Amino acid sequence: AQSVSQHNHHVILSEAASLELGCNYSYGGTVNLFWYVQYPGQHLQLLLKYFSGDPLVKGIKGFEAEFIKSKFSFNLRKPSVQWSDTAEYFCAVNARRDDKIIFGKGTRLHILP
Amino acid sequence: DAGVTQSPTHLIKTRGQQVTLRCSPKSGHDTVSWYQQALGQGPQFIFQYYEEEERQRGNFPDRFSGHQFPNYSSELNVNALLLGDSALYLCASSFETGGLESPLHFGNGTRLTVT
Repeated sequence: AQSVSQHNHHVILSEAASLELGCNYSYGGTVNLFWYVQYPGQHLQLLLKYFSGDPLVKGIKGFEAEFIKSKFSFNLRKPSVQWSDTAEYFCAVNARRDDKIIFGKGTRLHILP
Repeated sequence: DAGVTQSPTHLIKTRGQQVTLRCSPKSGHDTVSWYQQALGQGPQFIFQYYEEEERQRGNFPDRFSGHQFPNYSSELNVNALLLGDSALYLCASSFETGGLESPLHFGNGTRLTVT
């Protein structure tokens, strides 16, 4: 069965700091990978996705993620965070042959102004 | 605007009761998935409906059941409620023939509290 592990449950950064949120998944086959974000009081929304091709994918609001197949990782990065990035971030995976998307437990990011 | 609408937004029920949650997918979407998000956890997949049939199911007991209507809207029913069923229930819609290019669109969820 697929599973997703997010290393950090709560991250606090100052504005302009660099961000990296870790995500590892367990599944032996081909996968699709996602990062979703939930801003305070809002619904979950897609930040970026990887299906195939270039392992470095760019999403909205300056976020990017790198798929490293050998490490089963899909870490999220942003070179300089803003106060408005305060949110909860979820890594998710689904197997190509499957329809359900499995989510990690989430990382709550708090940016200090 | 989420596009996906869920009702009600909040609900309080007593142990042993039954509950029905409703979801209207984003316009143009035909597939509905339901997730349970307990406090401090990520969303957990309950099941997915397409063409009015349950296509896939997560690790949830038979107390959890659902339905999809011809207009693609969906219901989630939970029988014999337990305290542990208290959670945020999320509905997500997608477009089946959009394939990999059709990501999930989530609603704001229904907060269920079981006392």
